[in-house]
Amino acid sequence: KAGVTQTPRYLIKTRGQQVTLSCSPISGHRSVSWYQQTPGQGLQFLFEYFSETQRNKGNFPGRFSGRQFSNSRSEMNVSTLELGDSALYLCASSLSSGSTDTQYFGPGTRLTVL
Amino acid sequence: AQSVTQPDIHITVSEGASLELRCNYSYGATPYLFWYVQSPGQGLQLLLKYFSGDTLVQGIKGFEAEFKRSQSSFNLRKPSVHWSDAAEYFCAVGTPTGNQFYFGTGTSLTVIP
Repeated sequence: KAGVTQTPRYLIKTRGQQVTLSCSPISGHRSVSWYQQTPGQGLQFLFEYFSETQRNKGNFPGRFSGRQFSNSRSEMNVSTLELGDSALYLCASSLSSGSTDTQYFGPGTRLTVL
Repeated sequence: AQSVTQPDIHITVSEGASLELRCNYSYGATPYLFWYVQSPGQGLQLLLKYFSGDTLVQGIKGFEAEFKRSQSSFNLRKPSVHWSDAAEYFCAVGTPTGNQFYFGTGTSLTVIP
């Protein structure tokens, strides 16, 4: 079974631009969560989608948004990029929404904002 | 509020030596606890998890962890470290509803021959 895939793997943008990252979960998984990883703040939860609905949201500004499609693929969007948005963005998928299901992480998208 | 503390930012051990990585959590109810490992340029891989029951849990790659409620700890151990264990290790606490994990800041493990 294929793992969680994230595209693109690397991205370079400039301040003020917007970016869209994609995550394809493991087949059959309906929950997708997104995390931001930076050296200073570590791993921080962005949001979780389950069956096309946002279930939980972390403490990030409204510039960060996401959505989930009927095939469970998810996208996250960051508008008006700032230098501090440079990070590794990880997505994780699980069968359902609830911590008892193992979350499987993708390799991440490395975003660099210049 | 939920939080996780990993007191050791970096640990160096010799190959073959034993390993213990510390994790302390703060959570009002029975926590769901996890240890993940991240190799350079990779995503996170689950090593083991604790929900309830036996407080000593076994994971992959020869790792184990012990849940101690009285100390709010969930320390990761391995009897004999291999060079391939060099990586970043993250402890996390999850909530019963939703997949919102709270991660510690991680412990970087270096293994010397």
